[in-house]
Amino acid sequence: DGGITQSPKYLFRKEGQNVTLSCEQNLNHDAMYWYRQDPGQGLRLIYYSQIVNDFQKGDIAEGYSVSREKKESFPLTVTSAQKNPTAFYLCASRDRGHSNQPQHFGDGTRLSIL
Amino acid sequence: RKEVEQDPGPFNVPEGATVAFNCTYSNSASQSFFWYRQDCRKEPKLLMSVYSSGNEDGRFTAQLNRASQYISLLIRDSKLSDSATYLCVVNPYTGGFKTIFGAGTRLFVKA
Repeated sequence: DGGITQSPKYLFRKEGQNVTLSCEQNLNHDAMYWYRQDPGQGLRLIYYSQIVNDFQKGDIAEGYSVSREKKESFPLTVTSAQKNPTAFYLCASRDRGHSNQPQHFGDGTRLSIL
Repeated sequence: RKEVEQDPGPFNVPEGATVAFNCTYSNSASQSFFWYRQDCRKEPKLLMSVYSSGNEDGRFTAQLNRASQYISLLIRDSKLSDSATYLCVVNPYTGGFKTIFGAGTRLFVKA
């Protein structure tokens, strides 16, 4: 089945630690996205990537980093500089060919501070 | 002004009721529009795209009004399983990749 796989489903971070969230897609989509969702709130864009080896900051990029070395993979690192990382993190992808294509989401990673 | 605005609700309706959600967007050059559904503690899932002429999928009808810059979602004969948050989504630019999500409207359908 084609889709987006995020792992792990739950992640705990210690003080001062960097953690990396995985996102893999087999939809052959060029564009990939990372969002953060806090309880009762909407989605906020962290980073997005249109093609391999290229990515842009979203609205809340501080304390996060990404890489896009392969088309199918877009990992997100939550660094120790992100002081309030507890949230639901969602990865999405979209076909680059047409702006009328919707985004498809993975089932998310819940990150908490120990 | 937010790029995409929705009434946060919550909307509390009985089973069988008809309920409508509206969403306004600020960029008149916006190209494509969608409604997503998000269940509690789950990822958003595409409910339907919104086409210029309006479109229907079973009990769900979506409409677009470009002149007034709003889209709507009508749910007829509400079911308990329709309880969720409904997100209005806009792709603002032709060929662009940034998608704008509304904050969502919460719906509770009661027995």
